[in-house]
Amino acid sequence: DSGVTQTPKHLITATGQRVTLRCSPRSGDLSVYWYQQSLDQGLQFLIQYYNGEERAKGNILERFSAQQFPDLHSELNLSSLELGDSALYFCASSESDETQYFGPGTRLLVL
Amino acid sequence: DQQVKQNSPSLSVQEGRISILNCDYTNSMFDYFLWYKKYPAEGPTFLISISSIKDKNEDGRFTVFLNKSAKHLSLHIVPSQPGDSAVYFCAASASGADGLTFGKGTHLIIQP
Repeated sequence: DSGVTQTPKHLITATGQRVTLRCSPRSGDLSVYWYQQSLDQGLQFLIQYYNGEERAKGNILERFSAQQFPDLHSELNLSSLELGDSALYFCASSESDETQYFGPGTRLLVL
Repeated sequence: DQQVKQNSPSLSVQEGRISILNCDYTNSMFDYFLWYKKYPAEGPTFLISISSIKDKNEDGRFTVFLNKSAKHLSLHIVPSQPGDSAVYFCAASASGADGLTFGKGTHLIIQP
């Protein structure tokens, strides 16, 4: 158990819809990262937040957004969903900029 | 363009022997490297890391070697155990900037 929690575990929705994924980092970790794992692309970095502020952006689509709240939990919002957005979404947290600890992931299926 | 490459999609090793997983990178800015282990339907689990100022780091049965001139790192597991069967990901970062860049993974199978 990494100490990072994610909800929900599974999510099934339809194209065009919007969903919110939630992540609680390990106690004391200020950084939260979001990753997408799809079959063809592997694990891809989406976005990082540090103590409530956006710190780095990776391959995140404009239809996706994230935020980190004062209690340090984070949410990833995915809108106008397409079939290709079906993937595993992982959250990770870290105390420093080095080792990241991953949550169990949310499996999103867009039908 | 893949900046971190794991060229072996799978590797089969007999229980008790040494498992060697390889990883190559192309970005010279990478200065911190990590190995993660992943079971199906679970998140990646951190195993071991190495900074670019070192060439070796050891933790129990796991040792990571870094060859900066060749832009190559390897993970040695000895002795290999059945519970080591999983997908292993190599990852890299550049001075803590951005997120991690991952390889596609190597599926390690430990045979009894």
